[in-house]
Amino acid sequence: EAGVTQSPTHLIKTRGQQATLRCSPISGHTSVYWYQQALGLGLQFLLWYDEGEERNRGNFPPRFSGRQFPNYSSELNVNALELEDSALYLCASSLGLAGGDTQYFGPGTRLTVL
Amino acid sequence: AQSVTQPDIHITVSEGASLELRCNYSYGATPYLFWYVQSPGQGLQLLLKYFSGDTLVQGIKGFEAEFKRSQSSFNLRKPSVHWSDAAEYFCAVENGGSQGNLIFGKGTKLSVKP
Repeated sequence: EAGVTQSPTHLIKTRGQQATLRCSPISGHTSVYWYQQALGLGLQFLLWYDEGEERNRGNFPPRFSGRQFPNYSSELNVNALELEDSALYLCASSLGLAGGDTQYFGPGTRLTVL
Repeated sequence: AQSVTQPDIHITVSEGASLELRCNYSYGATPYLFWYVQSPGQGLQLLLKYFSGDTLVQGIKGFEAEFKRSQSSFNLRKPSVHWSDAAEYFCAVENGGSQGNLIFGKGTKLSVKP
């Protein structure tokens, strides 16, 4: 069975541009999570989507946004890119259970902002 | 607020030696706990999880972890380390209520000496 997939693998942008990152969850999973792993800052929660709705977001500015499509795949958009947005962006998916849910991670998208 | 502490930033062990990675959590109720491993530039792979029941949990690749409520700990162990175990290890707790996200420790980087 295929795991979580993310595209692109690498993305290079300049300050002020917009970046779009994509994630396909494991078949049967309805929840998608986005995390940012920036150097020195660890893994920080960005967004959680379930059944097409945004359920929760972390402490990030509104220029970080996303959506979940009817097939449960998801997009993360980062507007007005800043240098500090350079990071590995990880997507995870789960069954969307209430409590005791297991998140499975994709390989990540490495975003570099010049 | 929930939190996870991994006191050791970097650990070096000899191949064949035993390993213990420490994890302490702060959480009011019964936690859902996880250990993930990340190879350089890769996503996170789930090693094991604790939801309830037996406090000694077996995972993949010969890893195990023990949940100790009295010490708020969930330490990861392996009796004999292999060179391929060199990676970064993250302990995580599921955020409570309907938050959905995982809260991660800062990670412990494991180096293995031949």
